[in-house]
Amino acid sequence: EAGVAQSPRYKIIEKRQSVAFWCNPISGHATLYWYQQILGQGPKLLIQFQNNGVVDDSQLPKDRFSAERLKGVDSTLKIQPAKLEDSAVYLCASSLSRVETQYFGPGTRLLVL
Amino acid sequence: AQSVAQPEDQVNVAEGNPLTVKCTYSVSGNPYLFWYVQYPNRGLQFLLKYITGDNLVKGSYGFEAEFNKSQTSFHLKKPSALVSDSALYFCAVRDGTGNQFYFGTGTSLTVIP
Repeated sequence: EAGVAQSPRYKIIEKRQSVAFWCNPISGHATLYWYQQILGQGPKLLIQFQNNGVVDDSQLPKDRFSAERLKGVDSTLKIQPAKLEDSAVYLCASSLSRVETQYFGPGTRLLVL
Repeated sequence: AQSVAQPEDQVNVAEGNPLTVKCTYSVSGNPYLFWYVQYPNRGLQFLLKYITGDNLVKGSYGFEAEFNKSQTSFHLKKPSALVSDSALYFCAVRDGTGNQFYFGTGTSLTVIP
């Protein structure tokens, strides 16, 4: 079974630029999550989708971050404009349902200069 | 406030000795508890979870964890440590609403040959 796919794996941008990350969950997984993991910290949940609807986005900085899962499968997370403090690994995870185990992708490492 | 605490940043144990990685939590409602492991430059891998039932949960690679409701703890254990167990371990909890998922800050485990 294929795992969660993410791209790109690495990204370097300058502050005030925009960036987008892509995630393809495990086939059949209805729930999709985006996390931000800053160096030395645990992952922080940014947004949770159930199919193509948002379950919770209370931790998403909506002035600069946006996410969508239009067809209930792939998802994109965008940052516009980026700040230095956005440097982190962005993890995508998926699960069969909201109460099932989450499986994580390899992450996208973002460096904002 | 809802949270997960891993009081030890670093745990060192000799190969063959038992290991314990500690976790305590504070969430509303009945918690769903998880342990994940992260190897360098790799994504988070699921080890085990507690939803309900027997307080002792067995997971992958010989790991187990004990749920203690009165102490609000979910410590990870293994009877005999291997050098290959050296990695970063994260405790996580889903709150009673199912909308939020909290990770601890991680514990770096080093197994000394």
